[in-house]
Amino acid sequence: QPVLTQSSSASASLGSSVKLTCTLSSRHSSYTIAWHQQQPGKAPRYLMKLEGSGRYNKGSGVPDRFSGSSSGADRYLTISNLQSEDEADYYCETWDINTRVFGGGTKVTVL
Amino acid sequence: EVQLLESGGGLVQPGGSLRLSCVASGFNFSSCAMSWVRQAPGKGLEWVSTISGSTGSTYYADSVKGRFTISRDNSKNTLYLQMNSLRAEDTALYYCAKSVPASGMDGWGQGTTVTVSS
Repeated sequence: QPVLTQSSSASASLGSSVKLTCTLSSRHSSYTIAWHQQQPGKAPRYLMKLEGSGRYNKGSGVPDRFSGSSSGADRYLTISNLQSEDEADYYCETWDINTRVFGGGTKVTVL
Repeated sequence: EVQLLESGGGLVQPGGSLRLSCVASGFNFSSCAMSWVRQAPGKGLEWVSTISGSTGSTYYADSVKGRFTISRDNSKNTLYLQMNSLRAEDTALYYCAKSVPASGMDGWGQGTTVTVSS
């Protein structure tokens, strides 16, 4: 089954940008993923679906500041113009015929 | 708007059973795959189980296979998770999620807490 690897933490200043990485296992490098945001004490929220081509489709109400891109087995989530409410855990998700997998999550701190 | 409301969590002794429910609204429940995802205290998200919308096919994480059973009642727009032989490591916040093929889990409930302890 696929494996997703994420850095445990990232930080950036208010108003700047941060780019998070989710790396697929090599055998699954073409897979589509989804990004989710989990603010402290809240349920996860779907941000977008991101294909290996770099094409992405955002969920309803997701601000324009969130965008996705891809390179090889890496899937990226970029948050531009970082706001205080973006301080959260971010998880990537992928799936196979009979399983779903989450990455370990990246905690984003807004300085 | 997708709305998912979980219930049924609580405190249960090791070896005990619990049934979680998730009532869905705002979308065509019967045609959508649905999943359970859990989050142990201070930990990340862990997929538990998925049931398809069309065929009712079920899938489980190895950690719960043989102990948990996912099911659905499309007439009631309700998803279930029957949890048997519970262990301390099953302690978590359990979320139900709407699962879209090739797109991921695009709707989440608020979760229900399961605590397994003597």
